[in-house]
Amino acid sequence: GENVEQHPSTLSVQEGDSAVIKCTYSDSASNYFPWYKQELGKRPQLIIDIRSNVGEKKDQRIAVTLNKTAKHFSLHITETQPEDSAVYFCAATDSNYQLIWGAGTKLIIKP
Amino acid sequence: GAGVSQSPSNKVTEKGKDVELRCDPISGHTALYWYRQSLGQGLEFLIYFQGNSAPDKSGLPSDRFSAERTGGSVSTLTIQRTQQEDSAVYLCASSLAGGSSYGYTFGSGTRLTVV
Repeated sequence: GENVEQHPSTLSVQEGDSAVIKCTYSDSASNYFPWYKQELGKRPQLIIDIRSNVGEKKDQRIAVTLNKTAKHFSLHITETQPEDSAVYFCAATDSNYQLIWGAGTKLIIKP
Repeated sequence: GAGVSQSPSNKVTEKGKDVELRCDPISGHTALYWYRQSLGQGLEFLIYFQGNSAPDKSGLPSDRFSAERTGGSVSTLTIQRTQQEDSAVYLCASSLAGGSSYGYTFGSGTRLTVV
Protein backbone atom coordinates (compact mmCIF):
# COMPACT_ATOMS: atom_id res chain seq x y z
CA GLY A 1 0.00 0.00 0.00
CA GLU A 2 0.89 3.65 -0.10
CA ASN A 3 3.55 4.93 2.27
CA VAL A 4 4.39 8.59 2.76
CA GLU A 5 7.59 9.73 4.42
CA GLN A 6 8.14 13.34 5.47
CA HIS A 7 11.38 15.13 6.35
CA PRO A 8 12.57 16.81 8.42
CA SER A 9 10.52 16.23 11.55
CA THR A 10 11.57 19.64 12.87
CA LEU A 11 12.83 22.62 10.88
CA SER A 12 14.07 25.85 12.38
CA VAL A 13 14.71 28.82 10.08
CA GLN A 14 15.47 32.49 10.55
CA GLU A 15 12.60 34.85 9.85
CA GLY A 16 12.81 35.98 6.24
CA ASP A 17 14.64 32.86 5.06
CA SER A 18 13.09 30.07 3.01
CA ALA A 19 11.85 26.73 4.33
CA VAL A 20 11.59 23.48 2.38
CA ILE A 21 9.77 20.35 3.54
CA LYS A 22 10.04 17.14 1.53
CA CYS A 23 7.83 14.10 1.17
CA THR A 24 8.26 10.85 -0.69
CA TYR A 25 5.54 8.39 -1.62
CA SER A 26 5.56 4.79 -2.77
CA ASP A 27 2.50 4.34 -5.01
CA SER A 28 3.18 5.52 -8.54
CA ALA A 29 -0.59 5.73 -9.14
CA SER A 30 -0.99 8.51 -6.56
CA ASN A 31 -2.50 11.54 -8.24
CA TYR A 32 -3.26 14.14 -5.58
CA PHE A 33 -0.86 15.69 -3.08
CA PRO A 34 -2.18 18.23 -0.55
CA TRP A 35 -0.34 20.09 2.19
CA TYR A 36 -2.01 20.97 5.48
CA LYS A 37 -0.95 23.47 8.12
CA GLN A 38 -1.84 22.90 11.76
CA GLU A 39 -1.27 25.76 14.17
CA LEU A 40 -0.97 24.94 17.84
CA GLY A 41 -4.31 23.80 19.23
CA LYS A 42 -6.08 24.27 15.90
CA ARG A 43 -7.41 22.01 13.18
CA PRO A 44 -5.32 21.05 10.13
CA GLN A 45 -6.17 23.31 7.19
CA LEU A 46 -5.42 22.83 3.52
CA ILE A 47 -2.92 25.41 2.30
CA ILE A 48 -1.99 24.15 -1.15
CA ASP A 49 -2.36 21.04 -3.26
CA ILE A 50 -1.06 19.68 -6.54
CA ARG A 51 -2.29 17.05 -8.95
CA SER A 52 -0.15 14.59 -10.85
CA ASN A 53 -0.52 16.36 -14.19
CA VAL A 54 1.24 19.47 -12.86
CA GLY A 55 4.88 19.90 -11.85
CA GLU A 56 4.65 23.07 -9.79
CA LYS A 57 2.04 25.28 -8.23
CA LYS A 58 2.45 28.64 -6.47
CA ASP A 59 0.29 30.70 -4.19
CA GLN A 60 1.98 33.87 -3.00
CA ARG A 61 4.81 32.81 -0.66
CA ILE A 62 4.11 29.09 -0.82
CA ALA A 63 4.77 26.66 -3.64
CA VAL A 64 4.66 22.92 -4.13
CA THR A 65 6.75 20.95 -6.60
CA LEU A 66 6.13 17.40 -7.74
CA ASN A 67 8.60 14.96 -9.28
CA LYS A 68 6.58 11.94 -10.40
CA THR A 69 9.59 10.03 -11.64
CA ALA A 70 11.31 10.23 -8.29
CA LYS A 71 8.00 10.06 -6.40
CA HIS A 72 8.62 13.05 -4.22
CA PHE A 73 7.01 16.41 -3.65
CA SER A 74 8.08 19.43 -1.65
CA LEU A 75 6.59 22.46 0.05
CA HIS A 76 8.51 25.71 -0.30
CA ILE A 77 7.82 28.73 1.87
CA THR A 78 9.69 31.93 0.99
CA GLU A 79 10.23 35.04 3.14
CA THR A 80 9.10 33.17 6.24
CA GLN A 81 7.15 35.05 8.89
CA PRO A 82 6.32 34.24 12.52
CA GLU A 83 2.80 33.19 11.55
CA ASP A 84 4.28 30.41 9.43
CA SER A 85 5.24 28.60 12.65
CA ALA A 86 3.10 25.45 12.72
CA VAL A 87 3.13 21.74 11.97
CA TYR A 88 2.87 20.93 8.29
CA PHE A 89 1.51 17.61 6.99
CA CYS A 90 1.86 16.25 3.49
CA ALA A 91 -0.40 13.54 2.08
CA ALA A 92 -0.80 11.42 -1.03
CA THR A 93 -3.67 9.35 -2.37
CA ASP A 94 -3.68 5.58 -2.13
CA SER A 95 -5.27 3.11 -4.56
CA ASN A 96 -8.69 3.86 -3.05
CA TYR A 97 -8.12 7.61 -3.49
CA GLN A 98 -7.90 8.11 0.27
CA LEU A 99 -5.21 10.28 1.79
CA ILE A 100 -2.17 8.70 3.41
CA TRP A 101 -0.43 11.19 5.69
CA GLY A 102 3.16 12.05 6.41
CA ALA A 103 4.23 12.26 10.04
CA GLY A 104 4.40 16.05 10.06
CA THR A 105 7.10 18.72 10.22
CA LYS A 106 7.26 21.24 13.03
CA LEU A 107 8.38 24.52 11.49
CA ILE A 108 9.90 27.05 13.87
CA ILE A 109 10.52 30.59 12.69
CA LYS A 110 13.25 32.30 14.71
CA PRO A 111 12.93 36.08 15.11
CA GLY B 1 -23.29 23.88 7.82
CA ALA B 2 -20.40 26.13 6.92
CA GLY B 3 -17.82 23.78 8.38
CA VAL B 4 -17.32 20.48 10.14
CA SER B 5 -18.75 20.70 13.65
CA GLN B 6 -17.55 18.51 16.51
CA SER B 7 -18.88 18.22 20.01
CA PRO B 8 -17.99 18.39 22.76
CA SER B 9 -14.85 20.45 22.27
CA ASN B 10 -13.44 19.10 25.54
CA LYS B 11 -14.31 15.99 27.50
CA VAL B 12 -12.87 14.81 30.79
CA THR B 13 -13.93 11.36 31.83
CA GLU B 14 -13.01 8.82 34.45
CA LYS B 15 -11.18 5.67 33.48
CA GLY B 16 -13.64 2.91 32.69
CA LYS B 17 -16.47 5.19 31.58
CA ASP B 18 -17.91 5.25 28.06
CA VAL B 19 -17.78 8.39 25.93
CA GLU B 20 -19.49 9.51 22.75
CA LEU B 21 -18.00 12.05 20.38
CA ARG B 22 -20.09 13.68 17.70
CA CYS B 23 -19.25 14.94 14.23
CA ASP B 24 -21.53 16.91 11.94
CA PRO B 25 -19.95 17.09 8.49
CA ILE B 26 -20.37 19.73 5.83
CA SER B 27 -23.75 19.36 4.15
CA GLY B 28 -23.42 17.34 0.97
CA HIS B 29 -20.10 15.75 1.90
CA THR B 30 -20.48 12.03 1.44
CA ALA B 31 -17.13 11.01 2.92
CA LEU B 32 -16.41 11.24 6.66
CA TYR B 33 -13.21 10.34 8.50
CA TRP B 34 -12.20 10.02 12.13
CA TYR B 35 -8.59 10.55 13.20
CA ARG B 36 -6.84 10.51 16.54
CA GLN B 37 -3.97 12.87 17.34
CA SER B 38 -1.93 12.44 20.47
CA LEU B 39 0.00 15.42 21.80
CA GLY B 40 2.71 16.44 19.37
CA GLN B 41 2.00 13.49 17.09
CA GLY B 42 0.63 12.93 13.61
CA LEU B 43 -2.79 11.92 12.35
CA GLU B 44 -3.79 8.36 13.20
CA PHE B 45 -6.56 7.09 10.92
CA LEU B 46 -9.46 5.43 12.76
CA ILE B 47 -12.44 4.92 10.47
CA TYR B 48 -13.87 6.08 7.14
CA PHE B 49 -17.48 6.31 5.97
CA GLN B 50 -18.47 6.76 2.33
CA GLY B 51 -22.14 7.13 1.54
CA ASN B 52 -24.07 3.96 2.28
CA SER B 53 -21.07 1.67 1.85
CA ALA B 54 -19.73 -0.44 4.69
CA PRO B 55 -17.23 1.66 6.66
CA ASP B 56 -13.49 1.07 6.57
CA LYS B 57 -12.77 0.24 10.21
CA SER B 58 -9.19 -0.81 9.66
CA GLY B 59 -7.74 1.91 11.90
CA LEU B 60 -9.77 1.27 15.04
CA PRO B 61 -7.20 0.37 17.73
CA SER B 62 -9.38 -2.04 19.71
CA ASP B 63 -12.91 -3.38 20.00
CA ARG B 64 -13.62 -0.68 22.60
CA PHE B 65 -13.84 1.75 19.70
CA SER B 66 -16.85 1.91 17.40
CA ALA B 67 -18.48 4.47 15.17
CA GLU B 68 -21.66 4.89 13.27
CA ARG B 69 -23.03 7.34 10.79
CA THR B 70 -26.75 7.83 10.65
CA GLY B 71 -28.54 8.93 7.51
CA GLY B 72 -25.27 9.59 5.75
CA SER B 73 -24.68 12.68 7.84
CA VAL B 74 -23.88 12.91 11.57
CA SER B 75 -21.36 10.44 12.95
CA THR B 76 -20.75 9.29 16.52
CA LEU B 77 -17.49 7.78 17.72
CA THR B 78 -17.94 5.71 20.88
CA ILE B 79 -15.15 4.62 23.18
CA GLN B 80 -16.14 2.07 25.79
CA ARG B 81 -14.35 1.48 29.07
CA THR B 82 -11.97 4.37 28.44
CA GLN B 83 -8.29 4.01 29.34
CA GLN B 84 -5.71 6.69 30.00
CA GLU B 85 -4.00 5.94 26.69
CA ASP B 86 -7.21 7.02 24.93
CA SER B 87 -6.45 10.61 25.93
CA ALA B 88 -5.95 12.55 22.69
CA VAL B 89 -7.63 14.95 20.31
CA TYR B 90 -10.17 13.21 18.10
CA LEU B 91 -10.53 14.92 14.74
CA CYS B 92 -13.32 14.44 12.25
CA ALA B 93 -12.99 15.39 8.58
CA SER B 94 -15.34 15.33 5.65
CA SER B 95 -14.85 15.38 1.91
CA LEU B 96 -17.13 16.09 -1.01
CA ALA B 97 -16.78 12.60 -2.45
CA GLY B 98 -15.11 9.31 -1.71
CA GLY B 99 -12.11 10.32 -3.71
CA SER B 100 -9.71 12.70 -2.08
CA SER B 101 -9.26 15.06 -4.98
CA TYR B 102 -11.31 17.65 -3.17
CA GLY B 103 -9.26 17.58 -0.01
CA TYR B 104 -10.53 17.08 3.49
CA THR B 105 -12.09 19.70 5.77
CA PHE B 106 -11.36 19.10 9.43
CA GLY B 107 -13.42 19.93 12.47
CA SER B 108 -11.87 21.59 15.52
CA GLY B 109 -11.65 18.30 17.32
CA THR B 110 -12.66 16.90 20.68
CA ARG B 111 -9.93 16.90 23.32
CA LEU B 112 -10.49 13.78 25.42
CA THR B 113 -8.81 13.46 28.79
CA VAL B 114 -9.17 10.22 30.72
CA VAL B 115 -8.33 10.58 34.41
